[in-house]
Amino acid sequence: DIQMTQSPSSLSASVGDRVTITCRTSQSISSYLNWYQQKPGKAPELLIYAASNLQSGVPSRFSGSGSGTDFTLTISRLQPEDFATYYCQQSYTTLRTFGQGTKVEIK
Amino acid sequence: QVQLVQSGAAVRKPGSSVKVSCRASGGTFSNHVINWVRQAPGQGLEWMGNIIPISGAANYAQKFQGRVTITADESTSTAYIELSGLRSEDTAVYYCARERRDLNWFDPWGQGTLVTVSS
Repeated sequence: DIQMTQSPSSLSASVGDRVTITCRTSQSISSYLNWYQQKPGKAPELLIYAASNLQSGVPSRFSGSGSGTDFTLTISRLQPEDFATYYCQQSYTTLRTFGQGTKVEIK
Repeated sequence: QVQLVQSGAAVRKPGSSVKVSCRASGGTFSNHVINWVRQAPGQGLEWMGNIIPISGAANYAQKFQGRVTITADESTSTAYIELSGLRSEDTAVYYCARERRDLNWFDPWGQGTLVTVSS
């Protein structure tokens, strides 16, 4: 199975801050990498697909980049509604895997 | 806009089985894969397996091999996951998520089903 390592596992930030979350995979997955946002008590929601494509309806302050084994999710100016947990997920192999998540908390 | 509607919460005793359903409302499973993901309390997302309803072909994470069965009924646009040999560590919210076969991402997700394993 492909191993996914997200960092950091948690971070504290203020409204307006720029936030960067990284996801590293144990082998190259081209651009088969997706990002999800999950708020407490809710199902995850798709943010970014195929590494860098913004899902319809997602604010443009979210962006994704990377290919191969190293990927980044960036929130350009953190808003109150962005405090949540973020997960990366690979779809390169038939057996899908998720990163362990990054919790973004209010400083 | 398709929605995935899951069955309600369940409580089971250790050693028993549970079967959770996921129905596509306002859409179908045609040309899609249905994935199952679980989340234990306070933990991250864990992919369990998936199925291509049109063929019935299923794939499972190694961790669950032999204990999980995923099926689908295309005529009712409903997928199922059955987990046997339940133990307390299986207490979790179980989600289904649809994936278009040519797009490879999970959208939408079901609302989640809490399964509690307790004696």
